This record gives sequence, structure tokens and C-alpha cells, in this order.
Amino acid sequence: SQTIHQWPATLVQPVGSPLSLECTVEGTSNPNLYWYRQAAGRGLQLLFYSVGIGQISSEVPQNLSASRPQDRQFILSSKKLLLSDSGFYLCAWSTGRRLNTEAFFGQGTRLTVV
Amino acid sequence: AQSVTQLDSHVSVSEGTPVLLRCNYSSSYSPSLFWYVQHPNKGLQLLLKYTSAATLVKGINGFEAEFKKSETSFHLTKPSAHMSDAAEYFCVVSDREDSSYKLIFGSGTRLLVRP
Repeated sequence: SQTIHQWPATLVQPVGSPLSLECTVEGTSNPNLYWYRQAAGRGLQLLFYSVGIGQISSEVPQNLSASRPQDRQFILSSKKLLLSDSGFYLCAWSTGRRLNTEAFFGQGTRLTVV
Repeated sequence: AQSVTQLDSHVSVSEGTPVLLRCNYSSSYSPSLFWYVQHPNKGLQLLLKYTSAATLVKGINGFEAEFKKSETSFHLTKPSAHMSDAAEYFCVVSDREDSSYKLIFGSGTRLLVRP
């Protein structure tokens, strides 16, 4: 069966520090991978989307970047965090090859920038 | 592009009473629609999905949703709320990008269940 791992679960970082959040998927190959952010009291915003190694689509301009160095690994990064980067970050995967394909989510990372 | 609108940011019900969470969608083609649930500080879990096989879709934990094309709606219902249903609920539509699909989320509805 497929599983998705996301870490760390919580993170407190000072403004201006770098960020690296990692997500890996097991039990499937060539998944679509996603990074979402959920700010307090708001819905989910799609940040990045990847259909293959090295292929990253950015949905919104921001202080963050994403990379996919391996088929089942998706990394969210920042060189210098801003206060506004605080939020709940969720990684997800799907096969994404049909209209009715659902996504499966990791447990999320609570990032607080201080 | 496809989109969904969740009409209520918060819904409060008493335990044992019916639940109605509203969702309207916008789609240029026959959509696939989903409802996800998120408990506090947790990831998202799929409740149910509509894939055009049947307009009334049954999901987990007693939830169901009805696809109404004429009203462009996909409201989530449950006959009797339980305390454990308190969570945030997201209505989601699948959107096509190039040769693949991605999910577009509504802003969410927080369900409060009063004892």
C-alpha cells in the first residue's frame, strides 16, 4: 500500500533563517506531488505541483521554492523565511492521470516563524 | 479554470441533528468533486468523491453528497451529527493542467457540534 511521510511535524524558525521540509512517498511510482499551505483560519492554497523529476509548477509568487530530486521525494525550501511564511504545510500525492483521482495527504508540518 | 465556493465558513449544530455543508462549483466540463475532512493539526482524509457514476454519493462516517448539475452544487449532508464530526471540511474540484490533473480546494467550513 502507498504511504506518505512528511517531516518535521512542527518547526519554529527565526525570521531570515532557511527552511527545508521534506516529503516522501512509498508504494507508488511517478506520482504527482503537491505542496499546500494552510494559513490560520483559511483554506488550502496550492503552492507547488510536480508531475515528474525536476518538473515544478509554481502556483503563486512567493518566498518559497520546491524541488523534486527523486521520483518520490518533494522538498519545500526557503533561503530566508518571512513572518508571513508561518502556517500549516501539507504534502500530497496523486496519480493525477484521470479526472476523478483523489489526493492523499501527509500529516502536515506546523511552521511558526518568529 | 475550475473553482469551488463553500458558502459557510462556520456551521454549528447540536449533536444528533442533521448536518448540511454547502458547496457550489464552477466548471467548464463535467467535473469530479470531492469532500475532504481535516481534524485539528492533522492531514486531510477523503470523505467521498463524485465521478459521474451516480449523483448521490455515499462516503465514510455516514456522510453523503448529492451532485446537482442544474444548481452546480455538491452539498455534504449527514442525518445525525456526532461529536467526533467536529472538524474542518473542504469541497474540492479536479482541474486539468496539461495532461494531468490537480485538486482545487474551497476555503473550508468549520463544523462545530454542540453537546
